[in-house]
Amino acid sequence: EAGVAQSPRYKIIEKRQSVAFWCNPISGHATLYWYQQILGQGPKLLIQFQNNGVVDDSQLPKDRFSAERLKGVDSTLKIQPAKLEDSAVYLCASSLKGLRGELFFGEGSRLTVL
Amino acid sequence: AQTVTQSQPEMSVQEAETVTLSCTYDTSENNYYLFWYKQPPSRQMILVIRQEAYKQQNATENRFSVNFQKAAKSFSLKISDSQLGDTAMYFCAFNEGGSEKLVFGKGTKLTVNP
Repeated sequence: EAGVAQSPRYKIIEKRQSVAFWCNPISGHATLYWYQQILGQGPKLLIQFQNNGVVDDSQLPKDRFSAERLKGVDSTLKIQPAKLEDSAVYLCASSLKGLRGELFFGEGSRLTVL
Repeated sequence: AQTVTQSQPEMSVQEAETVTLSCTYDTSENNYYLFWYKQPPSRQMILVIRQEAYKQQNATENRFSVNFQKAAKSFSLKISDSQLGDTAMYFCAFNEGGSEKLVFGKGTKLTVNP
């Protein structure tokens, strides 16, 4: 079974530039999450999708971050314009609805903002 | 708001020995789930073990076991017969009933020495 795919693995940009990350969840997983993991901290949920609807985006900085999940499968997370404090690993995860808390994670996309 | 606290930023253990990682949490809920996730240097996080709050029996998965103290809101992870492949960041996570959102602690970096 293929795991959660993310790209790019690494991205370096200057502040005020934009960046987009892509995620392809495990086939059949209805729930998709984007987490932000800053160095030395645990992952923090940015947004949760159930199929193509948003369940929770309370911690998403909506003035600069946006995310979509078209057709309930792939998802894209965008940052525009980026700030220095956005430097982090962006983790995508997916789960089967009802599979309490067992998330399957991708390898992450490491963003460095200079 | 639910919080998860891991008080040990780093720990080390000799190969074949036993180590215990600590985690405490705060919640007013009665129905919830607790997890330990492992994040090796490659960054793909995987589930190690989980515990349902309504179950009194501590969960075990091969060399991994937990000590769940509901009244004390404590959830420690014991790794027996430590192996070099256990070297990783370990995150304690909490999931309240009715939600698929995980709240993570800051993690404990475990190093297993030969």
